[in-house]
Amino acid sequence: EDKVVQSPLSLVVHEGDTVTLNCSYEVTNFRSLLWYKQEKKAPTFLFMLTSSGIEKKSGRLSSILDKKELSSILNITATQTGDSAIYLCAGAGTYKYIFGTGTRLKVLA
Amino acid sequence: NAGVTQTPKFQVLKTGQSMTLQCAQDMNHEYMSWYRQDPGMGLRLIHYSVGAGITDQGEVPNGYNVSRSTTEDFPLRLLSAAPSQTSVYFCASSIRANGELFFGEGSRLTVL
Repeated sequence: EDKVVQSPLSLVVHEGDTVTLNCSYEVTNFRSLLWYKQEKKAPTFLFMLTSSGIEKKSGRLSSILDKKELSSILNITATQTGDSAIYLCAGAGTYKYIFGTGTRLKVLA
Repeated sequence: NAGVTQTPKFQVLKTGQSMTLQCAQDMNHEYMSWYRQDPGMGLRLIHYSVGAGITDQGEVPNGYNVSRSTTEDFPLRLLSAAPSQTSVYFCASSIRANGELFFGEGSRLTVL
C-alpha cells in the first residue's frame, strides 16, 4: 500500500530558528515528490523534486530528495511568524498523489 | 486566469440528500483530481482524471461519482450524503499526471 509519512507531526520554534521537516515515501512507480504550504485555505506549491541529491531553493526554504532512502527534507532557515502553517509532502506515482498528514509548524515571535 | 474554481464554498446537507461539487480550471490541464481533507488524515485522493472521458478511483472513492465530459470541468457527485462525508473537499489540476498540482480554494461540506 502506498504511503507517505511526515515527521514531526508538530513543531513550535522561535523566530530565527532553523527547522527541518521530514518526509518518507513508499509510492508505486514513483515519479516526483512535492512540498506544499497550507495556511487557512488551499495548499500552495513550494517545490517539486524528481532527481535525487539536487537541492531546490527558494529564499529561506530548500528541499532535497534522497531516492535511495525514499525520503525528502524541507529546511526553513531564519524562520518568521509568517512561516506558521501546515507543511504537506506528497509522493506522485504514475497517476496518483499520496499525501502525508502534514507537519504543523508554529513560529513564535 | 482564474486557475481552479470550486463551487460552492460551503454547503450543509441532510443525510440522504444528493449534491454536486463543481470544479473548473482554465489552464488547459489534462489531469484533474478530487481530495478530501479531514483532521489528522491529510489529503486523501477520491477520484482523478487524466483527460476528457477518462476517470479512475483514488484511495477513498466510495460514495462519490465523477465524470469528465470536457477538459475544463470535473464535477464530484454525492448521490446519498452520509455524515462520514463531512469534510473539506479540494479540487486540483495539473498539466500532466505527477506534475505540480494547482488547488482550488476548497469546499466545506457538512452532512447532518
